[in-house]
Amino acid sequence: GIQVEQSPPDLILQEGANSTLRCNFSDSVNNLQWFHQNPWGQLINLFYIPSGTKQNGRLSATTVATERYSLLYISSSQTTDSGVYFCAVENQAGTALIFGKGTTLSVSS
Amino acid sequence: GAVVSQHPSRVICKSGTSVKIECRSLDFQATTMFWYRQFPKQSLMLMATSNEGSKATYEQGVEKDKFLINHASLTLSTLTVTSAHPEDSSFYICRVTSGAYNEQFFGPGTRLTVL
Repeated sequence: GIQVEQSPPDLILQEGANSTLRCNFSDSVNNLQWFHQNPWGQLINLFYIPSGTKQNGRLSATTVATERYSLLYISSSQTTDSGVYFCAVENQAGTALIFGKGTTLSVSS
Repeated sequence: GAVVSQHPSRVICKSGTSVKIECRSLDFQATTMFWYRQFPKQSLMLMATSNEGSKATYEQGVEKDKFLINHASLTLSTLTVTSAHPEDSSFYICRVTSGAYNEQFFGPGTRLTVL
């Protein structure tokens, strides 16, 4: 099956810093989503981005489907950005949503 | 507002008892819902796919007799953990797919602790 690898596994930032999270996947996919899991466990949709670039406030994401990777950019990080960021891809058959292991982000003031 | 709800949000039970977790799609009908389990500091692992009006499809290694799934309506799926043991303690999350945009929505999760 499709393998999804995220890097880095852990990231510690000072408030105001920028960061880039990466997601590599091993095969062609139907779609790709980025999620933020807050400290209470809720998964929040950030981007639905099978290809191209999208921006939402301080966050933006780019997926290069032909090269099988996606990047999530966080600018001017805030303490509320802390949590785990997951990348998840749907296989081409549409039968599975496969998650990476996540990047744990800690932003300190 | 929330698209998917789960109930209860947190449950503590004794070993050997059964626990039912509900997942409701609030904004749209869902013929298919998905159940995940997440252990501490790990990723989400798919347990089963819940199909309205038919039997659930279980992932390899997930006991169908232990984790009973019922998808009684287009907006409700239930997961029952039967004869729970401490190793079943985990965070259980359901997922619903929006048919219009194929976007995924997750419930807020249920934290199960088996003593």
